[in-house]
Amino acid sequence: GAGVSQSPRYKVAKRGQDVALRCDPISGHVSLFWYQQALGQGPEFLTYFQNEAQLDKSGLPSDRFFAERPEGSVSTLKIQRTQQEDSAVYLCASSLAVLGSGRALLTDTQYFGPGTRLTVL
Amino acid sequence: EDKVVQSPLSLVVHEGDTVTLNCSYEVTNFRSLLWYKQEKKAPTFLFMLTSSGIEKKSGRLSSILDKKELFSILNITATQTGDSAVYLCAGPDDSGGYNKLIFGAGTRLAVHP
Repeated sequence: GAGVSQSPRYKVAKRGQDVALRCDPISGHVSLFWYQQALGQGPEFLTYFQNEAQLDKSGLPSDRFFAERPEGSVSTLKIQRTQQEDSAVYLCASSLAVLGSGRALLTDTQYFGPGTRLTVL
Repeated sequence: EDKVVQSPLSLVVHEGDTVTLNCSYEVTNFRSLLWYKQEKKAPTFLFMLTSSGIEKKSGRLSSILDKKELFSILNITATQTGDSAVYLCAGPDDSGGYNKLIFGAGTRLAVHP
C-alpha cells in the first residue's frame, strides 16, 4: 500500500515568500506529526494532529509557522515570510495511534514521508 | 529536559566490518526507545525496544537496551555498502497521550567497498 507522501520534494523560496508544504498520510492513520530537520541534525518535533484537531503546536518556532489538517487526512504546513533559518527538511509522519486511557500504545510506530527540502535564499 | 545523545556522530568502515552505534537518553516517563535508518530523506523504522536486556534482531542488525544505564546500542555485522545511512535513535515522550519523538543527532555511517 501507499506510504506517507509529501510534496513538493524540493522548494526554493526567496526570503519573505510564503510557502505551503503538503503531507498525505497513510489512509486511516489518526495521528500526524510534522518535524523539522536541519542539516546534520536529528528531526525536531513541530506539531501534532489527532484527526483534524491540532493538539500540540509547542514545537513551531514562530508565529510564521501554521499547520492545518481540516478533514483529518491531508495536512499542510505553511510558513509565512520565510527566513534563511527556515531552510531545512520538513518531515511528516503518521501513525495509527489507537489511544487507550489517554496513553499512546507502545506499538504506535510512526511512518515517515520522504520530506520536503526547503531552501530559502 | 528530555534529550537523546548519539555517538559517534560519524563512522567510516570497510565492507565486512562490524559496527556499534551508541545511544544514551534522558527521557521523562521512559517507555520505549526506537532506532530508525535514514537514507536520502525518509527515516525508516528498524527497532522498538522496551525491555532491558532483550536483544532484537533483524538480519545483520541487532539492538539491545539497558534501562538501568539509560543506554542502547545498535550493532551491524558484516557491513555492506547499502548500510550507508544516518542511523537515528529516538525516545518517545508520550506525556500528552501521543508519541512525540525526541531524536538524537544521528550517526552517519559510510561503508566503503
